[in-house]
Amino acid sequence: TQLLEQSPQFLSIQEGENLTVYCNSSSVFSSLQWYRQEPGEGPVLLVTVVTGGEVKKLKRLTFQFGDARKDSSLHITAAQPGDTGLYLCAGANEETSGSRLTFGEGTQLTVNP
Amino acid sequence: DTGVSQDPRHKITKRGQNVTFRCDPISEHNRLYWYRQTLGQGPEFLTYFQNEAQLEKSRLLSDRFSAERPKGSFSTLEIQRTEQGDSAMYLCASRPSGTDTQYFGPGTRLTVL
Repeated sequence: TQLLEQSPQFLSIQEGENLTVYCNSSSVFSSLQWYRQEPGEGPVLLVTVVTGGEVKKLKRLTFQFGDARKDSSLHITAAQPGDTGLYLCAGANEETSGSRLTFGEGTQLTVNP
Repeated sequence: DTGVSQDPRHKITKRGQNVTFRCDPISEHNRLYWYRQTLGQGPEFLTYFQNEAQLEKSRLLSDRFSAERPKGSFSTLEIQRTEQGDSAMYLCASRPSGTDTQYFGPGTRLTVL
């Protein structure tokens, strides 16, 4: 069974601060996706990373996939209240677990004005 | 809007009743997934279809749950004899061939009284 551990579970910061969310596993993934979810809504895709060591930037968000494709991080620069939400990482490995996504438990981020 | 749609968005039912949810994937996405998410957790895989074939089912999918995708387009998830423990957000996602990326619908929030 593939597991993804996400940390921290909760994060409350002030507007303008930087933060990093981590997603770790002992398993290798063929790709890893990051989603943001608002209350009562489905997860919205932010990015997919597929290559070990890959770094992708989306405005103030920087995503990194570990060299061994077992871990990932999300860094937010100068957080804004609009960044508030539940951040989820999800790994896929069609060879060992079919096509399912394995999710972390999520990081609930609150950015205070 | 060409995203994944789900209907209904909310369902309140009494214990023992049957409920059915519908998911319309992004057109031309041949893979369709169902997940369940409880409060404070990441989504958990239930089952998936490639075209009309149901290729994988989780152990979470008890015999009270059944899913279909009769024409390889929309899908339905039925829960018979609902229990309070079935209360959750039921999420549908679709994925095109050649990528691991899944796109989620807004979910159906089920409350069993």
